[in-house]
Parts: sequence; C-alpha cells; structure tokens
Amino acid sequence: AQSVAQPEDQVNVAEGNPLTVKCTYSVSGNPYLFWYVQYPNRGLQFLLKYITGDNLVKGSYGFEAEFNKSQTSFHLKKPSALVSDSALYFCAVRDFGSRTGGFKTIFGAGTRLFVKA
Amino acid sequence: DSGVTQTPKHLITATGQRVTLRCSPRSGDLSVYWYQQSLDQGLQFLIHYYNGEERAKGNILERFSAQQFPDLHSELNLSSLELGDSALYFCASSGPSGSSYNEQFFGPGTRLTVL
Repeated sequence: AQSVAQPEDQVNVAEGNPLTVKCTYSVSGNPYLFWYVQYPNRGLQFLLKYITGDNLVKGSYGFEAEFNKSQTSFHLKKPSALVSDSALYFCAVRDFGSRTGGFKTIFGAGTRLFVKA
Repeated sequence: DSGVTQTPKHLITATGQRVTLRCSPRSGDLSVYWYQQSLDQGLQFLIHYYNGEERAKGNILERFSAQQFPDLHSELNLSSLELGDSALYFCASSGPSGSSYNEQFFGPGTRLTVL
C-alpha cells in the first residue's frame, strides 16, 4: 500500500529564512504527490503537485517542492518564510488500489510550521 | 473560498444518534470525497464518489454510509454514534474528468461533537 511520512511534527523558522518541510513516500509504480496547507479552522488548500516531468515543482504562495526518486522524497521549500506561512502542512500520495478504478488519497500526519517574526 | 460548501458547520449530538452531513461540490466537479480528521487518527480518507457512483472506499466504518445524488451533492450518514466519532469531517471535490491527476478542493468542514 502507498504511504507518506512526514518525519517532523513541527518546524520552526525565523521570518526571512528559507524553510523546508520534509516528506518521504512509499509507492508501487509512479507516484502522484501533493502538498496541502491547512490554516486554523479552515479546510485544506492545494499548494502544488508532482505527476510527471520536471523534478522541481512550483506552486502557490511562493512554495516549491523537489521530487527525488532515488531518495523517495518530496520536500516542500520556500526561499524566504513569512509569518503568515505558519500553518499545518500535509503531504499526500494517490493510492490506486481500488478494484473499481477509483483511487484514494493518503495523507501524512502533517507538519506544523511556526514562522517567528 | 474553495467553492465547496458543507452544512452544518457544527453539530452536537448524543451517543447512539444518527446525523447527516451535506456537501455541495464546486460547480462542474463530478468527484466528491469524504475525509475524517481527528487528533489521534489524522486525516483519513473515507469514500470517493464520481458522478453518483462509488469509486473507492477507505477506512469507513459500517455505521457510516454516503451517497451522491443526481445534482452531484453528497451526504455522509453517521449512525449509532460513539464518542470516538467526534471529529472534523471534510468534503472535497475535483473534476470534472475524475482524473487522478487532479488536486482536490476542500470544504470548510463540519465539526461533529458526540456527547
């Protein structure tokens, strides 16, 4: 079965510094990978995805992620963090195991990002 | 605003009761997904419907059921409620092609509290 792991419960970074939120995956076949962000009392918002193509994917709000097949990683990055980036970040992978041709989305446990002014 | 609406926002009920959560997908989206978010289990996929048909099932309890209607809105029915069912329930939509490439757009959630 497909899975994702987010090894850090929390990441702390100072405003203006680069940030990285880590994600590793385990899939059979080609991975379809996603990053979502959740602000307090809100639903998840899509940031970016990797399906195929360039390993560096650019997304919303200045975020990008690097797909690394050899390390089975899909880390989320931003060159300069903002206080408003403080939120809960989820990595996700598609699981195509359904017999009816559908798919599931498997989410990691989430990483809480704190950006200090 | 994602364009996905969920009602009600909050629901407080007692153990043993039955509730219905409602979701309207974004205009044009044919896929609806239901998720449960709790502190101990994280974000868990429950079920996926595409254009009225069930496409995939996750860790959905037998006490829970869902359906998608011809107008594409969806309902999640939770019965014989237990304290452990207290959680945030999210609906998401994607489409219209139903492709697995598509990102999902999440509603604001329904917070269910079982007392």
